[in-house]
Amino acid sequence: DIVMAQSPDSLAVSLGERATINCKSSRSVLSSSNNKNYLGWYQQKPGQPPKLLIYWASTRESGVPDRFSGSGSGTDFTLTISSLQAEDVAVYYCQQYYGTPFTFGPGTKVDVK
Amino acid sequence: EVQLVQSGAEMKKPGESLKISCKGSGYSFTSYWIGWVRQMPGKGLEWMGIIYPRDSDTAYSPSLQGQVTISADKSINTAYLQWSSLKASDTAIYYCARHRSPAPGRSDAFDIWGQGTMVTVSS
Repeated sequence: DIVMAQSPDSLAVSLGERATINCKSSRSVLSSSNNKNYLGWYQQKPGQPPKLLIYWASTRESGVPDRFSGSGSGTDFTLTISSLQAEDVAVYYCQQYYGTPFTFGPGTKVDVK
Repeated sequence: EVQLVQSGAEMKKPGESLKISCKGSGYSFTSYWIGWVRQMPGKGLEWMGIIYPRDSDTAYSPSLQGQVTISADKSINTAYLQWSSLKASDTAIYYCARHRSPAPGRSDAFDIWGQGTMVTVSS
């Protein structure tokens, strides 16, 4: 299995400030056949199902605010919230879908400082 | 509207069987892989497996294979997750979710999620 790690476990950021979440996979999730990184980011608010934010490591899902961005390649990835809003308080998960089982990271909890 | 609607909460005893469902609407059900994700109380997301409703091709997490069965009935646009003998450790919220793009590839992110089914197993 590809093991996903996230850091930090939690972070508190002031409203309007930047939040950065890191995700590292135990093996590369970059496909040599199509040069795509098989990595997604999800946001989960309490009592709700997860919501897809980013796929292919850096493509924003339709309707997701542009303050959310994804970057990275191979084994190291980052989700950035450029200007934290109150509604962004949630747990964020990365997921690799390069090889089954399509494992999730343990999650990063984002709060307002 | 594209949506997945899951069956309601269940309370069961250890050793009992259970089958929960996930009904898709608003899209071509047979064209997209559907997966199941477990979330134990207060914990993170765990990928359980996926099924392609057109031909019932499945892939399971090795850690769960043999403990659950994923199936689908394409005639009624419904996927299922079932247990033959529940354990207390199966207590969790179970989500179904759809792959973002239609097949053929089985590798994709989940873009549409069901509302979740809470399964409680207790004597």
